[in-house]
Amino acid sequence: SQTIHQWPATLVQPVGSPLSLECTVEGTSNPNLYWYRQAAGRGLQLLFYSVGIGQISSEVPQNLSASRPQDRQFILSSKKLLLSDSGFYLCAWSALGTGDTIYFGEGSWLTVV
Amino acid sequence: GIQVEQSPPDLILQEGANSTLRCNFSDSVNNLQWFHQNPWGQLINLFYIPSGTKQNGRLSATTVATERYSLLYISSSQTTDSGVYFCAVDNYGQNFVFGPGTRLSVLP
Repeated sequence: SQTIHQWPATLVQPVGSPLSLECTVEGTSNPNLYWYRQAAGRGLQLLFYSVGIGQISSEVPQNLSASRPQDRQFILSSKKLLLSDSGFYLCAWSALGTGDTIYFGEGSWLTVV
Repeated sequence: GIQVEQSPPDLILQEGANSTLRCNFSDSVNNLQWFHQNPWGQLINLFYIPSGTKQNGRLSATTVATERYSLLYISSSQTTDSGVYFCAVDNYGQNFVFGPGTRLSVLP
């Protein structure tokens, strides 16, 4: 069966520090991969999605970036965090192509102080 | 892009009551899903339902694609049903657009 994991689960970082959140999927090949952000009490905002290695689409301009160095690995990064980057970050995957279920990881709580 | 609305934004129920949550979307879709986000933040898939009706225990969902809405029914609600319910749609792209959610509180 397929599983998705992301880490770290909780992170407290000072303003201006770098960020790296990692997500891996097991049990499937060529998945679509996604990073979403959820601000407190709000809905989910799509940040990045990827349909293959090295292929990243950005939905929202920001100081975050994403990379997909391997088929089932998706990384969310920042060189310098802002206070407004605080939130709950969720990695997700779906089967390649459209019309399939999307599955989420456990989420990472980021607090920028 | 496609717009997704959900109603009501907040709902408070007594345990055992029934409820209906609504999701409206602005364009045709090939994928619609309902999720439950528990108090710990985890998103659980409830239904994959681009059209038609499905049931799973006390939960059921109906999507009328031609009229661009979906309904989630919760019967005999329990305190463990509390959380936020999201619908998400994909209109033939490769990403999912989420609605703002309905926050449900079930009181004992």
